Amino acid sequence: EVVLTQSPATLSVSPGESASLSCRTSQIVSANIAWYQQRPGQAPRLVLYAASTRATGIPGRFSGSRFGTEFNLTISSLQSEDFAIYYCQQYNNWPRTFGPGTKVEVK
Amino acid sequence: EMQLLQSGGGLVHPGGSLTLSCEASGFIFNDYAMNWVRQAPGKGLEWVATITSNGGKTIYADSVKGRFTVSRDNSKNTVYLQLGSLTSDDTAVYFCAKDWTGRLDSWGQGTLVTVSS
Repeated sequence: EVVLTQSPATLSVSPGESASLSCRTSQIVSANIAWYQQRPGQAPRLVLYAASTRATGIPGRFSGSRFGTEFNLTISSLQSEDFAIYYCQQYNNWPRTFGPGTKVEVK
Repeated sequence: EMQLLQSGGGLVHPGGSLTLSCEASGFIFNDYAMNWVRQAPGKGLEWVATITSNGGKTIYADSVKGRFTVSRDNSKNTVYLQLGSLTSDDTAVYFCAKDWTGRLDSWGQGTLVTVSS
């Protein structure tokens, strides 16, 4: 199965600053990576798909990039509602797999 | 607006069974595959199962294969997850999610399954 590794585990950022999250895959998955945001007590929400395409309703401060098997999610000018856990997921292979998550917390 | 409303869940004894339901609205249900994803307390997300749009194919995580069964009733816009031979490792919040060519673009609210004696 494809193993996803996310770093860092926790990212402490001040509101208004930017955050960069990484997701590395153990195999080539093309651009079939999605990112999800999960706030405490809520269901996950799709943020990006195809590595860099924003889902419906996601603001432009969220962007994604791909460098081979490394994928990045960047959040510019963090707002209060952006502090959450972010998971990457690959949907290129079965079984579908998720990364362990990166928690973005207030510094 | 796409919505997935989950029901079922609760406390079940080890070795017991339970069925979860997820009713969809706001989209053409029988056009999409559906998934179940779970999250153990304080842990990350784990994909559990997928069922194709017509129910003709089901795929399971190794951790639940042979114990869980995913099914759907397109006349009721509902997907189900039957959980069996439950152990404490199955204690988790279970989410249903709409599948849009692999990405999960709409999620249910989640339902807690607790396996305990």
